[in-house]
Amino acid sequence: AQSVTQPDIHITVSEGASLELRCNYSYGATPYLFWYVQSPGQGLQLLLKYFSGDTLVQGIKGFEAEFKRSQSSFNLRKPSVHWSDAAEYFCAVGAPSGNTGKLIFGQGTTLQVKP
Amino acid sequence: DTGVSQDPRHKITKRGQNVTFRCDPISEHNRLYWYRQTLGQGPEFLTYFQNEAQLEKSRLLSDRFSAERPKGSFSTLEIQRTEQGDSAMYLCASSQGGAGNSPLHFGNGTRLTVT
Repeated sequence: AQSVTQPDIHITVSEGASLELRCNYSYGATPYLFWYVQSPGQGLQLLLKYFSGDTLVQGIKGFEAEFKRSQSSFNLRKPSVHWSDAAEYFCAVGAPSGNTGKLIFGQGTTLQVKP
Repeated sequence: DTGVSQDPRHKITKRGQNVTFRCDPISEHNRLYWYRQTLGQGPEFLTYFQNEAQLEKSRLLSDRFSAERPKGSFSTLEIQRTEQGDSAMYLCASSQGGAGNSPLHFGNGTRLTVT
């Protein structure tokens, strides 16, 4: 079955520290991969996406993610976290052709930033 | 670009009542999606439209749920005979259909509470 696993439900980091959020997926082929961020009471904002090509993708707000086919992973990273990064982060996968709007999301990782 | 707009932001209803939510997508987007997000979970796909045609429905969408997009612009999601299990955030998203380079743009959602 197709699924997305975010092993860390909650992560706390200090402001200025580096961040890595994990994402593993199960899919028949290499899917399209996405990271979204959701602030409380808000909708989801796309941080970055991977369709093909360079396995290290850059996104908005200083985030990047690396696709590792051998590990079925798409981990999100940021070298220095800011207090405004506190939010919930969702990894998602979509079909590699056709309708890319039907996404399967992970459970999310809540990021707390300590001053 | 005014973004995806959803109305109302919050809805409290009693069990057994009918509710209707509205979504106005980004004007040039021809695809519109509905997702449901329960507390502590990622969004789950419910249904999507390309223009006015409803092309796919999830098994999550029981017979009590109906969605329309009559003129290919705004969409409504109606829930009949609401149950407490329907309490969730209902998210609408839109995209410009076609190939894979068309990420979803989400609205801020409608939070439904069934008492």
